[in-house]
Amino acid sequence: AQRVTQPEKLLSVFKGAPVELKCNYSYSGSPELFWYVQYSRQRLQLLLRHISRESIKGFTADLNKGETSFHLKKPFAQEEDSAMYYCALGTDKLIFGTGTRLQVFP
Amino acid sequence: NAGVTQTPKFQVLKTGQSMTLQCAQDMNHNSMYWYRQDPGMGLRLIYYSASEGTTDKGEVPNGYNVSRLNKREFSLRLESAAPSQTSVYFCASSVFENTEAFFGQGTRLTVV
Repeated sequence: AQRVTQPEKLLSVFKGAPVELKCNYSYSGSPELFWYVQYSRQRLQLLLRHISRESIKGFTADLNKGETSFHLKKPFAQEEDSAMYYCALGTDKLIFGTGTRLQVFP
Repeated sequence: NAGVTQTPKFQVLKTGQSMTLQCAQDMNHNSMYWYRQDPGMGLRLIYYSASEGTTDKGEVPNGYNVSRLNKREFSLRLESAAPSQTSVYFCASSVFENTEAFFGQGTRLTVV
């Protein structure tokens, strides 16, 4: 079965601290993986996708097929990073994890 | 460019009432989706449509029906609303199932 697991519901850090939001997936084929972000009162939007291998707003994510993980990382968190983050798996459909709320304190 | 448009934005229903949530996209996307968002549950896929004329069940289809009216429009119907269907509903579209999805602004539905 296809599944996306985000083990942390809430992650709280101080400004300038490193951040890692965990994502594990279950899929037997070659996955398409995404991170989406939902800022307060805004639409859900794409943050980054593994195939592009780019850094967006200082965030990066590396696909580890051996560990079936796609963790999102940022070396120095900013207050404006506070939002809800969803990991998603694209196969014949697009399914999401349960999300992690990131709180960055000043 | 409107993107993905959902109507209505808010709705209150009584148990047993029916309603249809409308979704339209103007990006010529093939795939469209309906999700519900509940605290602690994340986004759960209700139904999706990989292309015009096809629909498939997602993770939580019970109590819902969908219609892919044409390439632009994908509606979600609650035939007999229940309090368990109180949620925020999101429509999304993408070129294909494994490409970037664009989301509507959501519909906050309360069933009393």
